Amino acid sequence: NAGVTQTPKFRVLKTGQSMTLLCAQDMNHEYMYWYRQDPGMGLRLIHYSVGEGTTAKGEVPDGYNVSRLKKQNFLLGLESAAPSQTSVYFCASSEILGQTYQETQYFGPGTRLLVL
Amino acid sequence: AQKVTQAQTEISVVEKEDVTLDCVYETRDTTYYLFWYKQPPSGELVFLIRRNSFDEQNEISGRYSWNFQKSTSSFNFTITASQVVDSAVYFCALRPIIQGAQKLVFGQGTRLTINP
Repeated sequence: NAGVTQTPKFRVLKTGQSMTLLCAQDMNHEYMYWYRQDPGMGLRLIHYSVGEGTTAKGEVPDGYNVSRLKKQNFLLGLESAAPSQTSVYFCASSEILGQTYQETQYFGPGTRLLVL
Repeated sequence: AQKVTQAQTEISVVEKEDVTLDCVYETRDTTYYLFWYKQPPSGELVFLIRRNSFDEQNEISGRYSWNFQKSTSSFNFTITASQVVDSAVYFCALRPIIQGAQKLVFGQGTRLTINP
């Protein structure tokens, strides 16, 4: 199993450009997440999905959109990139275990995005 | 409100020394999970441990051990006989055990450097 993979690994954008980050998982997990990591701030949740066709906002959703058309894929879109979106983006996935919602999030390798 | 504090921004020790990384959390939830993740220089996030709030037994895994004390809201991580390969940023995280609670709250991270 590859686990959680992310494409691309690194990208440079100009302000106003758009792009899509792809996250794929082969663990048949129901839940998927997008986080951003900024220096000194840990990771913050952007959007998440509890299943195919569903998405929800996290802590810092502004400027981002997501889609979950297939269970194994979770896409993060930036419609008009801004320098404030320079960050490292992590995707994660998790499964539901019973009714106690025991789940551990497993992370991808990250995508480093620089917006000039 | 939920919050995780890792007061030690950076720690540097000499190989073979023992080192403890502190994690203090705040939550109003009565049941929750606590996590530790490791982020080596390569950048990925590696899951280390998950702990339930109703299980206060300490855990040991090889050179790693975790001390969970609900009375002081702390979940500290100790590495015994540290090695250079332990050099990484370590994150503590918190999540309540309730339906729909998908947000992992991360601390700011502690950068651990093990010098040969």
